[in-house]
Amino acid sequence: DAKTTQPPSMDCAEGRAANLPCNHSTISGNEYVYWYRQIHSQGPQYIIHGLKNNETNEMASLIITEDRKSSTLILPHATLRDTAVYYCIGAYNTDKLIFGTGTRLQVFP
Amino acid sequence: SAVISQKPSRDICQRGTSLTIQCQVDSQVTMMFWYRQQPGQSLTLIATANQGSEATYESGFVIDKFPISRPNLTFSTLTVSNMSPEDSSIYLCSVAGQTSSYEQYFGPGTRLTVT
Repeated sequence: DAKTTQPPSMDCAEGRAANLPCNHSTISGNEYVYWYRQIHSQGPQYIIHGLKNNETNEMASLIITEDRKSSTLILPHATLRDTAVYYCIGAYNTDKLIFGTGTRLQVFP
Repeated sequence: SAVISQKPSRDICQRGTSLTIQCQVDSQVTMMFWYRQQPGQSLTLIATANQGSEATYESGFVIDKFPISRPNLTFSTLTVSNMSPEDSSIYLCSVAGQTSSYEQYFGPGTRLTVT
């Protein structure tokens, strides 16, 4: 599984876009990039995943660079409820998710 | 999506005792996972539990310390044996999604404190 590197913390103003970066320079060609988040005192929640192409769903957008060495999770209009720890994970499938230290996103009013 | 419940939600136990944590899923699932989250830390995978076979443990975790049962497709238990204060953690179970294999659904966790 790919090793990922994320900034330990970020701040974002409510209503603004939150852009969370992730480096995964050792990712293999058939490993996906998964994003999960963990709101305080809850279990992690799946957000989005991608392989090569950019992806968008109702929660977020995922931008993967062409060389696949990094990606960015975008929350287009952050709310206070988006305050959480965000995990970027490189894996072949969900059979074995290895969580790193993640990015603690604080959304402020 | 799958709805997962865990019992107990929290417990305080004395060192040397054992605690069994239950994980119940509202649908049949093949793979269930157990994680540990130590205070202020990220999640660490303990083992993968498939129905009808022995659990597969990750490096650093052994069956004698964390025995797991998987009697059917909707239920699993994790026992934390001979507890010490270092076992104080949140223990979470999760399942792979059925309609989408790209998601894992997590339970709310069991907060264990060992004194």
